[in-house]
Amino acid sequence: GQSLEQPSEVTAVEGAIVQINCTYQTSGFYGLSWYQQHDGGAPTFLSYNALDGLEETGRFSSFLSRSDSYGYLLLQELQMKDSASYFCAVRVSVDSNYQLIWGAGTKLIIKP
Amino acid sequence: ETGVTQTPRHLVMGMTNKKSLKCEQHLGHNAMYWYKQSAKKPLELMFVYSLEERVENNSVPSRFSPECPNSSHLFLHLHTLQPEDSALYLCASSQDQWAGELFFGEGSRLTVL
Repeated sequence: GQSLEQPSEVTAVEGAIVQINCTYQTSGFYGLSWYQQHDGGAPTFLSYNALDGLEETGRFSSFLSRSDSYGYLLLQELQMKDSASYFCAVRVSVDSNYQLIWGAGTKLIIKP
Repeated sequence: ETGVTQTPRHLVMGMTNKKSLKCEQHLGHNAMYWYKQSAKKPLELMFVYSLEERVENNSVPSRFSPECPNSSHLFLHLHTLQPEDSALYLCASSQDQWAGELFFGEGSRLTVL
C-alpha cells in the first residue's frame, strides 16, 4: 500500500525553528506537497518539491530527498499564528491519473 | 475568502434524512474534488471531477452521491448515512486534474445521529 508518516504533534517556542518530517512509501512518485490548516479553516497550499533539495519561501522552507523517501518542512522565526496542523501529501500516478496521498497531519503547538 | 465556498458549514442529520452539501469555486478551475477528513486520519479522496465528468471514485458507499452540473459547482448528496460518516467534508478545486496545487473550501462539518 501507499502510506506517509509524520509526527502527530510537535511543540516549539515562539521565535524558534521547527522541522516537521515526512517519510513516504509510495509508487509512481512525482512530488511532495505541504499544506497548512488552522482549526476550523481550509487547508492551504504551502509548497511543492518535485526535485531533491531545499525550496525556500520566506520563513518556510521545504526539503526533499527522493532517494531516502523523505522530506521536511522547516519553519523559522515561529509566530503564534503558525499554530496549525501541517499535512504532507505525495503526488502519485494511479491508472494514468494523478492523485494525492496524504499524511495524517502534524499539529504544531507554539508556546510563548 | 479562499475562492472555494462550501455550504452549509455545519449539518446535523438523522440516519434516515436526505441532505446535500454544496461547493462553489470562483477560480475558473476545471477540476473539483470531494474529500473526507476525520480526526487524526489522512484526508480521504472521495470523488474527482474534471470538466464536469467524474474521473475518480474511490470505492465510496452509494449513500454518497456526487453531482457536478457545471465546472463551478459540485454537490454531495447524502442519504441513509451512518454515524461513522460524521466528519468534515472538504471540497477542493485545481486548474486541472494534473495540477499540483489544490484550493480547499473550509468544509462542511457533518454529524450523523
